[in-house]
Amino acid sequence: DAGVIQSPRHEVTEMGQEVTLRCKPISGHDYLFWYRQTMMRGLELLIYFNNNVPIDDSGMPEDRFSAKMPNASFSTLKIQPSEPRDSAVYFCASTLYGGGYNEQFFGPGTRLTVL
Amino acid sequence: GQQLNQSPQSMFIQEGEDVSMNCTSSSIFNTWLWYKQDPGEGPVLLIALYKAGELTSNGRLTAQFGITRKDSFLNISASIPSDVGIYFCAGPTTDSWGKFQFGAGTQVVVTP
Repeated sequence: DAGVIQSPRHEVTEMGQEVTLRCKPISGHDYLFWYRQTMMRGLELLIYFNNNVPIDDSGMPEDRFSAKMPNASFSTLKIQPSEPRDSAVYFCASTLYGGGYNEQFFGPGTRLTVL
Repeated sequence: GQQLNQSPQSMFIQEGEDVSMNCTSSSIFNTWLWYKQDPGEGPVLLIALYKAGELTSNGRLTAQFGITRKDSFLNISASIPSDVGIYFCAGPTTDSWGKFQFGAGTQVVVTP
């Protein structure tokens, strides 16, 4: 079975550029989470969706960040304009309500470097 | 708000040694999860705990849900090189289902 798929795996961009990260959750999962991981702040929840609807975006750092989930099999996290402090590893995770263990399945992450 | 403290921050051990780490919360949890993150990968669930006092094993890993429901422990016995990675504890926030808070992680380095 395919796990959570994220693309790209690595992204290097210059300050001010728009960055779009993509995620395909596990088929059938109804929750999708976007996390950011840095050395200083650890693993932070940015936003999560239930049945494609954003439920809590309180972790989104500022208006430069936006996330969408147009359908059950695709989500994007966009940063516009990007800044060096956005450099981090961004993870997408998905889970199924009532699927047991509340386990969130993580993708491999996108390592973003903003120069 | 809830605070989740994980310790130690890092451990350097020799192959064959046992490893212990723990997490404490400022509030009561009804679930504790332990994840491992290999270098360059996303976290993977190791063990899930759902009842106070519960002791669960997964191979050489053993985790316990503290009686007070505010702490949890993870032990790795007879460490091997592939145990290298970052171990995270996680517990549910009070906001809504599915939303978890993660500890800062314990980095484990195993030397031959």
